[in-house]
Amino acid sequence: EAGVTQFPSHSVIEKGQTVTLRCDPISGHDNLYWYRRVMGKEIKFLLHFVKESKQDESGMPNNRFLAERTGGTYSTLKVQPAELEDSGVYFCASSHAQTGDGYTFGSGTRLTVV
Amino acid sequence: GQNIDQPTEMTATEGAIVQINCTYQTSGFNGLFWYQQHAGEAPTFLSYNVLDGLEEKGRFSSFLSRSKGYSYLLLKELQMKDSASYLCAVRGYQKVTFGTGTKLQVIP
Repeated sequence: EAGVTQFPSHSVIEKGQTVTLRCDPISGHDNLYWYRRVMGKEIKFLLHFVKESKQDESGMPNNRFLAERTGGTYSTLKVQPAELEDSGVYFCASSHAQTGDGYTFGSGTRLTVV
Repeated sequence: GQNIDQPTEMTATEGAIVQINCTYQTSGFNGLFWYQQHAGEAPTFLSYNVLDGLEEKGRFSSFLSRSKGYSYLLLKELQMKDSASYLCAVRGYQKVTFGTGTKLQVIP
C-alpha cells in the first residue's frame, strides 16, 4: 500500500512568490490533515478535510494560505504571497476513520522563503 | 484548547531503559499518540492509547492515565538508532495537537 506522498520534498522561493504544495493521501482515506512545523517549535495543526469538505480550518494562519481538495482525493496548499515566517516543514496526514492507528504522515515538504 | 508538556531533551545509555513523560490539559480527549521523528523525516507512529493502562509493543510501551492527564513512553534495551525526537500528541474531536517533542540521545 502506498503511503501518504507529498510534493515537492523541498522548495525554495523568494518572498512574495507563490508556492503550491501537494498531498496525496492513502487511497480510501477520507480524512486529510495539514500540519506545519516551523524551526524550533512544535508541529501545529492547520486544517482538516473530510473528503472535499473543510471540517476544521482553525489552524490556518491567515488568508495567504488556501487549501483545496477537489474531488476528495489529493489536496493542495497554496501560499500566496509567501513571507519569510512561512518557512518550515509542511506535513500532510490521512486517516480512514476515527481510529487512531490510521493516522499516517507524509514525509513533508520543506519550504524555505528567502 | 490543548496544552502538552514533555521534557525537551534526554540522554540515555545504549542497552538501558528510558521513560519519557508527557502531561496534558485538554478541552477534549479522544486518545494520545506517541510518534518517533528522526531529523528530516516524517513522524512515525509508535502507539495510540485511548484507555487507561499500559500497552506494550516490543521494546516500546506506552502508559496512559486520563484522570491525571499523564502518559509516558518507555523504551527498553535502547539502541543507537533510537536517537530521535519523541512526540506526544493528543487527539481531540478530530485534530491532533502535538507537544514540542523530547529529543532523545542514546550514547554508547
